[in-house]
Amino acid sequence: ETGVTQSPTHLIKTRGQQVTLRCSSQSGHNTVSWYQQALGQGPQFIFQYYREEENGRGNFPPRFSGLQFPNYSSELNVNALELDDSALYLCASSSPYLAGGYTGELFFGEGSRLTVL
Amino acid sequence: GENVEQHPSTLSVQEGDSAVIKCTYSDSASNYFPWYKQELGKRPQLIIDIRSNVGEKKDQRIAVTLNKTAKHFSLHITETQPEDSAVYFCAASRGDSSYKLIFGSGTRLLVRP
Repeated sequence: ETGVTQSPTHLIKTRGQQVTLRCSSQSGHNTVSWYQQALGQGPQFIFQYYREEENGRGNFPPRFSGLQFPNYSSELNVNALELDDSALYLCASSSPYLAGGYTGELFFGEGSRLTVL
Repeated sequence: GENVEQHPSTLSVQEGDSAVIKCTYSDSASNYFPWYKQELGKRPQLIIDIRSNVGEKKDQRIAVTLNKTAKHFSLHITETQPEDSAVYFCAASRGDSSYKLIFGSGTRLLVRP
C-alpha cells in the first residue's frame, strides 16, 4: 500500500511570490485535506477536497486555493506569499466512507516545509 | 469558535512512570477524538482514537478517556519508554462528512532513561 507522498519536501520563496505544493493520496483514498503547521504549534485545517470539489474550509484567506484531480491527487496553491506563511504544509488522505459512517482516520504525508523570506 | 486546549505544553517523566496529557474542547457537536504522535521532522501518526459513544479505549500501554459532559479527554501512557519521547497532539472533529480536525497546541513529552 503506497502512503501519502508530498513534493517538494523543502522550498524557499520570497514575499509576494506564488507556490504550488503537491500531494498524492494513499491508494484507495478519495478525500484529501491540507493543514498548515507553524513551528511549535498544532496543525491548522486549510481545506478538504472530495470528488474534485472543495468540501470544507478553515479560516484561511482566498489566496490559499487548491485542486483535486481525477486520480485523487491534490495541489495547494498560495499566492502573494507573506512571511507568516512560513510553515510545514501537511497533506492528509482519508479512507472512503463506509456504510453507516466513515472511518475518520487521517493519514498524513511528511509535509512540505515552506520558508518565505 | 471551535477550540481545543491541551495541557501541559511540556512533560518530563522517568522511564517506567506514567504520563497523562489532557485536552478540553469547545464544540459540543464534536464526537471523534484522535491522538497523534509527531517525532522531530516526521509526519503526525495516529496512535489511538475514541468516539463519543465510548468512555474509554485501551491499546497496550496507551489509553484514552472521554468525558462528554465536561468536554474533556485525556491520553494515558503507562510504563513509558525513551522511544515514547515526541510531541503529542489531541484533536477533535464533528465526525461528519468533513474530516476537519481541530488540533491542540501539542505536548512535548520527554522520557528520561
